[in-house]
Amino acid sequence: DGGITQSPKYLFRKEGQNVTLSCEQNLNHDAMYWYRQDPGQGLRLIYYSQIVNDFQKGDIAEGYSVSREKKESFPLTVTSAQKNPTAFYLCASSVTALGYTFGSGTRLTVV
Amino acid sequence: GESVGLHLPTLSVQEGDNSIINCAYSNSASDYFIWYKQESGKGPQFIIDIRSNMDKRQGQRVTVLLNKTVKHLSLQIAATQPGDSAVYFCAEKPGNQFYFGTGTSLTVIP
Repeated sequence: DGGITQSPKYLFRKEGQNVTLSCEQNLNHDAMYWYRQDPGQGLRLIYYSQIVNDFQKGDIAEGYSVSREKKESFPLTVTSAQKNPTAFYLCASSVTALGYTFGSGTRLTVV
Repeated sequence: GESVGLHLPTLSVQEGDNSIINCAYSNSASDYFIWYKQESGKGPQFIIDIRSNMDKRQGQRVTVLLNKTVKHLSLQIAATQPGDSAVYFCAEKPGNQFYFGTGTSLTVIP
């Protein structure tokens, strides 16, 4: 079945540590996105990529980094510069002009 | 310091009743809209979409209404079931990117 897979489902980060969230899709979608979801707030765009080897900052890119070396993969690194990283992170993919297919999310907690 | 999240609007309905969830969107240039359903701890799932050249679209048990004059979108769920309990949010697309609402939490009372 085609879909978008995020891993891990739960992730714990110590202060000062970088962590990487995985996002893989086999839908042959060109565009991929990372969103952050906090309680009571709408999804906020962190980074997006419309084509391999190219990506753009979203509204809240500070403290995050991404890469897009393969069409299927769009990993997100939460760096130590992100001061409030505890949140639910959602990856999505899409074809032009249509809606997004979302992954099941990664819940990141700072310990 | 730690930020405190806003409370989501909530809607409680009796099983079997119809539900209406509302969304006010912000950009008059938006030409495509989607309703998503998100269950606790899961990713959002597509429910139904509508383009700005339409004012109504129906799916299985769901209907989306679009009023461009007042920039309002609504989702109607017929014969609401316990499995419909979730957060529902709308998304608008004024250009190349979607913008998402904060959502409404629907609870179905058996």
